[in-house]
Amino acid sequence: AQTVTQSQPEMSVQEAETVTLSCTYDTSESDYYLFWYKQPPSRQMILVIRQEAYKQQNATENRFSVNFQKAAKSFSLKISDSQLGDAAMYFCAYRTPNSGYALNFGKGTSLLVTP
Amino acid sequence: SAVISQKPSRDICQRGTSLTIQCQVDSQVTMMFWYRQQPGQSLTLIATANQGSEATYESGFVIDKFPISRPNLTFSTLTVSNMSPEDSSIYLCSAAGTPITNYGYTFGSGTRLTVV
Repeated sequence: AQTVTQSQPEMSVQEAETVTLSCTYDTSESDYYLFWYKQPPSRQMILVIRQEAYKQQNATENRFSVNFQKAAKSFSLKISDSQLGDAAMYFCAYRTPNSGYALNFGKGTSLLVTP
Repeated sequence: SAVISQKPSRDICQRGTSLTIQCQVDSQVTMMFWYRQQPGQSLTLIATANQGSEATYESGFVIDKFPISRPNLTFSTLTVSNMSPEDSSIYLCSAAGTPITNYGYTFGSGTRLTVV
């Protein structure tokens, strides 16, 4: 079975500090994409960052970056200079052709940002 | 990226009735997906909906309970049939761009369903 594991149900970070959310996944496929989504209380799923498995370079989007360790099947998200608006549920997900291109989500990490 | 309008945003329904949730996309998309999310939990895939073919359901979800329509490349509906309180949840639709290598998935804002 293909799975995504987020081992941190909750994380807390102070404003302006850096926090890292962990994610590991298990797939036997070589062609896949990895994602981090943010879901605030509004329920809207917002794409934070994505990574193609064939790319060795870690993806970066402004204050958000990933540490992609393909051999270890690890895909952690680093949020720098945390802001109050970063508080949300964060989901790690991947997509493979054999999953019918649907996203397979982890259980999520609830991020609290304190002033 | 595409924008999805999902309706209704919430509803309270009597057990034994059915509710149809609609998702309208502002551009043509290859694939659409329906998820269920318990509050505070992860998203569970219900089915994948491709235009012109039967939806593909995940284990634990059946067409009689969750019939899906996909009449064109911009629209899909999910019906929750013969509802029971266990169906109370958030339902979200998602769309993947064309071609499928465009991995910019978009989500609707969700439907919060309460069955009483």
